[in-house]
Amino acid sequence: AQSVTQLDSQVPVFEEAPVELRCNYSSSVSVYLFWYVQYPNQGLQLLLKYLSGSTLVESINGFEAEFNKSQTSFHLRKPSVHISDTAEYFCAVSQSTGNQFYFGTGTSLTVIP
Amino acid sequence: DAGVTQSPTHLIKTRGQHVTLRCSPISGHKSVSWYQQVLGQGPQFIFQYYEKEERGRGNFPDRFSARQFPNYSSELNVNALLLGDSALYLCASSLVSDRGYEQYFGPGTRLTVT
Repeated sequence: AQSVTQLDSQVPVFEEAPVELRCNYSSSVSVYLFWYVQYPNQGLQLLLKYLSGSTLVESINGFEAEFNKSQTSFHLRKPSVHISDTAEYFCAVSQSTGNQFYFGTGTSLTVIP
Repeated sequence: DAGVTQSPTHLIKTRGQHVTLRCSPISGHKSVSWYQQVLGQGPQFIFQYYEKEERGRGNFPDRFSARQFPNYSSELNVNALLLGDSALYLCASSLVSDRGYEQYFGPGTRLTVT
């Protein structure tokens, strides 16, 4: 069985400051990892994903995440946040068979002007 | 191109009633998954369908059922509604059912059970 833990339920940060949203997973098999973002009253949008290869993956809007197998982590980072980054962020793991996603409980990122 | 569409957007039902939620995947996508997102929580996996066959089922009671049609659209049915079924129900489509393929989510159906 797989599970995902997002250690911070709420993260307030000032505009242009760096941020890290933490995600740890547990799995007995190799995993695929995803970060999704959810803006108020909207569905989930893929931010970035790790399938294989380089352990550092980047999104088009400045976010990056690093897969750390030894620490079973996939933390999300951004060096300088914008007001528009205010949203709920979900870490997810893909099941080893099929394509069922298991999500963490989410981290609410609030960017303060 | 149209994304994943879901209907209705909002729904209010009373306890004991039945509800049907509908989902149309992105054109060309053959796999549809359903998730329940309770307020303040992450989405919880309910079902996955691929080529009209159930490929996975989460830890939900038998009151929850689903099906996929030849055009790959899908319905989620919930019988004997409970207050705890109040949630945002998300549908996601992907090209195939293999692991690693990105899932594209619809805007969801907000179900309120009173």
